[in-house]
Amino acid sequence: QVQLQQSGAELAKPGASVKMSCKASGYTFTSYWMHWVKQRPGQGLEWIGYINPSTGYTEYNQKFKDKATLTADKSSSTAYMQLSSLTSEDSAVYYCARIRAYYYAMDYWGQGPSVTVSS
Amino acid sequence: DIQMTQSPSSLSASLGERVSLTCRASQEISGYLSWLQQKPDGTIKRLIYAASTLDSGVPKRFSGSRSGSDYSLTISSLESEDFADYYCLQYASYPLTFGAGTKLELK
Repeated sequence: QVQLQQSGAELAKPGASVKMSCKASGYTFTSYWMHWVKQRPGQGLEWIGYINPSTGYTEYNQKFKDKATLTADKSSSTAYMQLSSLTSEDSAVYYCARIRAYYYAMDYWGQGPSVTVSS
Repeated sequence: DIQMTQSPSSLSASLGERVSLTCRASQEISGYLSWLQQKPDGTIKRLIYAASTLDSGVPKRFSGSRSGSDYSLTISSLESEDFADYYCLQYASYPLTFGAGTKLELK
């Protein structure tokens, strides 16, 4: 069965970086794009961007272009998102979710670990 | 960017009641709309895609429909496990955008 297993909760200091992972199983990793979504406490969902693990192509929401970096390791079927120059605004839950291609909807989601930025 | 206006933001309803949520797209999205359910533990599950196609394993009391630029999710008879947050998602164009969510609570 399809599973997206995300890494655990993170506590980071302002100005630092964090790198979280999303390990895919139950399907061919390179056949689906991996998307990332942010949810601040008590707020709605916000699309960050996606990576095509097959080609390494990435596309970002302009809002996160200088904040997030998406990568993928085909050998371990794992997608990564690094968040840099952390501020309190980055404290949120971050989900990975897969999509087949353009004009397809996200079907499976990771469990969404939290990132807390605090000194 | 396409704005998705979701209503209501919250809804109190009783077991067995029929409820409907709506999302209105600011631009044409041609039916590229999905409905998501988020449980209190944060777990997100897709219920519907392509505006009205039910995901495998999703109870048939859930349905989706479209009328022009308005997209609706209807739950025909609420069960206890349906009390959660619901979001619409448009995937017609990037950036992907979500509705602000509806909190469905037990009355």
